[in-house]
Amino acid sequence: GAVVSQHPSWVICKSGTSVKIECRSLDFQATTMFWYRQFPKQSLMLMATSNEGSKATYEQGVEKDKFLINHASLTLSTLTVTSAHPEDSSFYICSAKGTSRTGELFFGEGSRLTVL
Amino acid sequence: AQKVTQAQTEISVVEKEDVTLDCVYETRDTTYYLFWYKQPPSGELVFLIRRNSFDEQNEISGRYSWNFQKSTSSFNFTITASQVVDSAVYFCAVNLNTGFQKLVFGTGTRLLVSP
Repeated sequence: GAVVSQHPSWVICKSGTSVKIECRSLDFQATTMFWYRQFPKQSLMLMATSNEGSKATYEQGVEKDKFLINHASLTLSTLTVTSAHPEDSSFYICSAKGTSRTGELFFGEGSRLTVL
Repeated sequence: AQKVTQAQTEISVVEKEDVTLDCVYETRDTTYYLFWYKQPPSGELVFLIRRNSFDEQNEISGRYSWNFQKSTSSFNFTITASQVVDSAVYFCAVNLNTGFQKLVFGTGTRLLVSP
């Protein structure tokens, strides 16, 4: 079936650096992808909608300049956490809607970011 | 606004017991979709079911079954004869938009199945 893959699966970085996380749809095209954030033992919170060829749409309270989203192709969306700080440490998960008739929503494996 | 409540934070059962995970939702939409996902310790979200609000039939898939009660806005999930591999966090969700691509998740229920 359709698969969404994220890379890296985990990353540790120093405070102040930027980190890029990739989300790829492996066997289908996704004009729209979604980025979620999950704090430890908490629920997933929608951060933004990534639109191929246009600007991302951010949910209320999400800093656009902190979380840069680029949807450069029909199979790739990237989330860049800029000038990361320890409070940005979290589990980031992307999702994409498949192209089958059922339009199932697929989630990536997640990327765990730890900012020291 | 959409909201999902999973009142059970953590449930512990012994293998082979049946267990029901509760989910209560709120939405202003007349047509909506409800979901259940499983998140094992590895972190990835595993899709379990999507249910259209017009379809109130209960569904069974192997050891899993779902009870959709529109009148009480509940979409409960039952695992029959639980197994250790069922240990995970289970999330209930409702769609935020008509394309059911943007989801609002509940806080999750952690299920621990011991041998």
